[in-house]
Amino acid sequence: DQQVKQNSPSLSVQEGRISILNCDYTNSMFDYFLWYKKYPAEGPTFLISISSIKDKNEDGRFTVFLNKSAKHLSLHIVPSQPGDSAVYFCAASHWSGSARQLTFGSGTQLTVLP
Amino acid sequence: ETGVTQTPRHLVMGMTNKKSLKCEQHLGHNAMYWYKQSAKKPLELMFVYSLEERVENNSVPSRFSPECPNSSHLFLHLHTLQPEDSALYLCASSQAVIIYEQYFGPGTRLTVT
Repeated sequence: DQQVKQNSPSLSVQEGRISILNCDYTNSMFDYFLWYKKYPAEGPTFLISISSIKDKNEDGRFTVFLNKSAKHLSLHIVPSQPGDSAVYFCAASHWSGSARQLTFGSGTQLTVLP
Repeated sequence: ETGVTQTPRHLVMGMTNKKSLKCEQHLGHNAMYWYKQSAKKPLELMFVYSLEERVENNSVPSRFSPECPNSSHLFLHLHTLQPEDSALYLCASSQAVIIYEQYFGPGTRLTVT
């Protein structure tokens, strides 16, 4: 059973508009959340993160929101640019006893249309 | 070279072959990871190494054998694989196993015939 879910496999947005990518999780032990971006033929690249003690973190055009009670987080990209077109992975971190482990969602393909 | 590099980028092997995947990180990190990404599935953590010592083995079959000779290099030795092992294998590193952010290599696309 997937502990981190990204229910939208794809999303298309017009350039300049807001992109909202969503992620749900089930494990209450997750205490840190990250978003990664992946271009074809490249590895995932860290984008932005948020601790479970916060509800918002902002970095330039990227903002991550966390709703702990709903076990839901979202990534907002404003304004969206064609170069943002990529697969976005949500990841959740927990301590396994010997190492921090990341559990990933299956990704959302974002396409920003010019 | 910068970041995390992986070789080869593509590999086709028969079920009776033995091959190895190589990962090198140029970030001065102390922890390294192997992940598997099968088609339409999330990344799955396979192994975690901290300062050359294996600290996690997430129920991975013994036909996958990791090796970490030093904190910059990580290998995944493959033998008698099955077609369902065909996947993208990603290596990652972090400053330490207690650090959240991991930095990924580009991956090796493995096809088992």
